[in-house]
Amino acid sequence: NAGVTQTPKFQVLKTGQSMTLQCAQDMNHEYMSWYRQDPGMGLRLIHYSVGAGITDQGEVPNGYNVSRSTTEDFPLRLLSAAPSQTSVYFCASTPYSGGTQYFGPGTRLTVL
Amino acid sequence: AQKVTQAQTEISVVEKEDVTLDCVYETRDTTYYLFWYKQPPSGELVFLIRRNSFDEQNEISGRYSWNFQKSTSSFNFTITASQVVDSAVYFCALSERGYGGSQGNLIFGKGTKLSVKP
Repeated sequence: NAGVTQTPKFQVLKTGQSMTLQCAQDMNHEYMSWYRQDPGMGLRLIHYSVGAGITDQGEVPNGYNVSRSTTEDFPLRLLSAAPSQTSVYFCASTPYSGGTQYFGPGTRLTVL
Repeated sequence: AQKVTQAQTEISVVEKEDVTLDCVYETRDTTYYLFWYKQPPSGELVFLIRRNSFDEQNEISGRYSWNFQKSTSSFNFTITASQVVDSAVYFCALSERGYGGSQGNLIFGKGTKLSVKP
């Protein structure tokens, strides 16, 4: 099992560019989430999904879009990157609500 | 509202000292789960422990132990005989059971950076 994988590992964007952060898991988990980590802030929830075709907003959803067409994949889209989106992004999955969340290795994004 | 507070921003100890990381949480739910994660300098998030709100037994795993007290809404983490490899940021997190929706997601504290010096 690869667990939770994320690509790319690093990315630099210019303000206004768009991109997609990829996340995949091979554990057949229903629940998947995206978090961002900023210095001194801990991790904050961006969007989450409780199953294929179902997504919802977390604490900091503005500027991000998600979709979940399969159980395995949960991409995060930045529509028009802004410097405030410079952060480390983590994808996570868990088999059920309240279960242990397993995290991917993270994507470090810099927006200039 | 749910909240997790880790009052210690940074702790520095000398190797072989014991160290306790504090975590206080707030929730209105009667069923909830508490977690500790470790983030070493390499950046990944490593799961350490999950406890449910009905199980107040303390847990020991090697040099690690956890003290869960519902009366004080605390879930503290102790490392005995600390080692340099324990240097990391440690996060405490809360997940509420609820019914569907965002209740299953994690609410994180801001983390405690532990430095263990040789």
